[in-house]
Amino acid sequence: GQQLNQSPQSMFIQEGEDVSMNCTSSSIFNTWLWYKQDPGEGPVLLIALYKAGELTSNGRLTAQFGITRKDSFLNISASIPSDVGIYFCAGNTNAGKSTFGDGTTLTVKP
Amino acid sequence: SAVISQKPSRDICQRGTSLTIQCQVDSQVTMMFWYRQQPGQSLTLIATANQGSEATYESGFVIDKFPISRPNLTFSTLTVSNMSPEDSSIYLCSVVTAGYGYTFGSGTRLTVV
Repeated sequence: GQQLNQSPQSMFIQEGEDVSMNCTSSSIFNTWLWYKQDPGEGPVLLIALYKAGELTSNGRLTAQFGITRKDSFLNISASIPSDVGIYFCAGNTNAGKSTFGDGTTLTVKP
Repeated sequence: SAVISQKPSRDICQRGTSLTIQCQVDSQVTMMFWYRQQPGQSLTLIATANQGSEATYESGFVIDKFPISRPNLTFSTLTVSNMSPEDSSIYLCSVVTAGYGYTFGSGTRLTVV
């Protein structure tokens, strides 16, 4: 089946620093999605990317859909303590099913 | 975006028993999915719940173990049958709504003892 390689696995940063994480795949996806999961909750969609090369922002978050359709990155600028959580990338095919990366655990030190 | 109500939010069950998880959506949706998230792991798709027909299961998941119902466009159930401790996970339903992307329920945290 399709697999996504998400990196880094974890990050420990100081409040105010910028963060970058990415996902790569050997398969092509039609949609790339980035989610954040807080403890005890389901994942919440942060950004959805629908076109190769697309660059989309949502507040301090910026994500890009790679031109080859096999990769995506998520940047968080000026991190704050509430950014703590697990970030997942996901790729979708036309069937609408999502394949998830293994997640990046973000810790922000005040 | 769609609002999903998932019940129960958590349960502790005896091995060998079954648990049915409900997913109610506040609007009609075409596509509904069930995922499993094992402790400390990512999300794995169990099946696509199809309205009016049998669910479509992913490799490694079978109907006898995870029967799914989808009687209408706003509701689905997932049953975890004949449970063992290895079934301890978070189970999540997810829907796709046009224009709003993908929404997850808050999950059912299952512990099998």
